[in-house]
Amino acid sequence: DAGVIQSPRHEVTEMGQEVTLRCKPISGHDYLFWYRQTMMRGLELLIYFNNNVPIDDSGMPEDRFSAKMPNASFSTLKIQPSEPRDSAVYFCASSHTGTSPLLNTGELFFGEGSRLTVL
Amino acid sequence: QKEVEQNSGPLSVPEGAIASLNCTYSDRGSQSFFWYRQYSGKSPELIMFIYSNGDKEDGRFTAQLNKASQYVSLLIRDSQPSDSATYLCAVNGEDTGRRALTFGSGTRLQVQP
Repeated sequence: DAGVIQSPRHEVTEMGQEVTLRCKPISGHDYLFWYRQTMMRGLELLIYFNNNVPIDDSGMPEDRFSAKMPNASFSTLKIQPSEPRDSAVYFCASSHTGTSPLLNTGELFFGEGSRLTVL
Repeated sequence: QKEVEQNSGPLSVPEGAIASLNCTYSDRGSQSFFWYRQYSGKSPELIMFIYSNGDKEDGRFTAQLNKASQYVSLLIRDSQPSDSATYLCAVNGEDTGRRALTFGSGTRLQVQP
């Protein structure tokens, strides 16, 4: 059973360039999350979707960041223009709504991450 | 104040000892609590989750939850060098609408052979 698939695994780009990160969630999962991890700030939630609809994008740092989920099997995170401070590992994760009334947050399954370096 | 607090470590324990990892959270409404393990250069993977006060055991791992004290812990018995990793505590805090997880900064565990 395939897990969350992210691409590219590594991206090195120059300041000002556009960066697009891609994610394929686990089939059947109805939630998709984009997180960013740095040494200084740890793992931060950027945005999440439910059934392809963006629910909370309050973690997106600024207008240079945008995310889309055109269908249940694909999402993108775009940075335009990129800056050196965007250098981080970007993780995509997906989850399935719990069926128990006591469980309102399911386990998050993470992709392997996209390591972005902006020079 | 950060939602989820963890001691960054490193926490160093000898092989075979018990490792105790602690986490406090600020949102009293949090209902789901998770422990993830992250090896260097890898993605986080779930170790355990807990929803009810008390202890939950799974093999060498025991999660403990005290909602009154807003405290979650993870005990690792018979620690092995392969347990050396960063352990992330996560809760479904109000700041994420309770559908996503807020993570602590993690505690780095080193198990000495």
